[in-house]
Amino acid sequence: GAVVSQHPSWVICKSGTSVKIECRSLDFQATTMFWYRQFPKQSLMLMATSNEGSKATYEQGVEKDKFLINHASLTLSTLTVTSAHPEDSSFYICSAIDMDRTNTEAFFGQGTRLTVV
Amino acid sequence: AQRVTQPEKLLSVFKGAPVELKCNYSYSGSPELFWYVQYSRQRLQLLLRHISRESIKGFTADLNKGETSFHLKKPFAQEEDSAMYYCALLSGSARQLTFGSGTQLTVLP
Repeated sequence: GAVVSQHPSWVICKSGTSVKIECRSLDFQATTMFWYRQFPKQSLMLMATSNEGSKATYEQGVEKDKFLINHASLTLSTLTVTSAHPEDSSFYICSAIDMDRTNTEAFFGQGTRLTVV
Repeated sequence: AQRVTQPEKLLSVFKGAPVELKCNYSYSGSPELFWYVQYSRQRLQLLLRHISRESIKGFTADLNKGETSFHLKKPFAQEEDSAMYYCALLSGSARQLTFGSGTQLTVLP
């Protein structure tokens, strides 16, 4: 199957700093990428839908100024957590789909563990 | 709005026993449902989708529109089936996945 790569796999940052997480589709063009947040022992919560070349669509309750999403190319989307605080510590997961395929299957990155200290 | 419910957070069965992971959904449109699995320390991956009507690793799932269910079943559980299982509903023009809360399956020896 197709591969989605996230970088970094884990990051520790100081409170007040910003952190950028990259999501790349390695062998297909991802017209749409999704960003999820997963708390320990809980499900994936969709944060935003990102389409190449346009503004991301954020889910209700997700601060777009805090979680900046850029989908500048068909193979790369980035999530920047701005002015991070300890409550932003979480597991962030991206997924990508190729809308041009008949059977759209979402492929997931390995996730990024963010710890804000 | 769409919703996916997995009533069991934890499920333990013995090796060789049948297993059923429950999933119910609510959605006003025509549903497209999936089961995803996450093995320990691995990424989420697709297990099966209802439109394929396939059996993967011995698992099957039938969409029951009358009961709005998409339960995952396997007649004889194996230890390697131990994992976190998520039921998911695909919706919208943006093809968004709504996940259930997940069921942690443990197959005991």
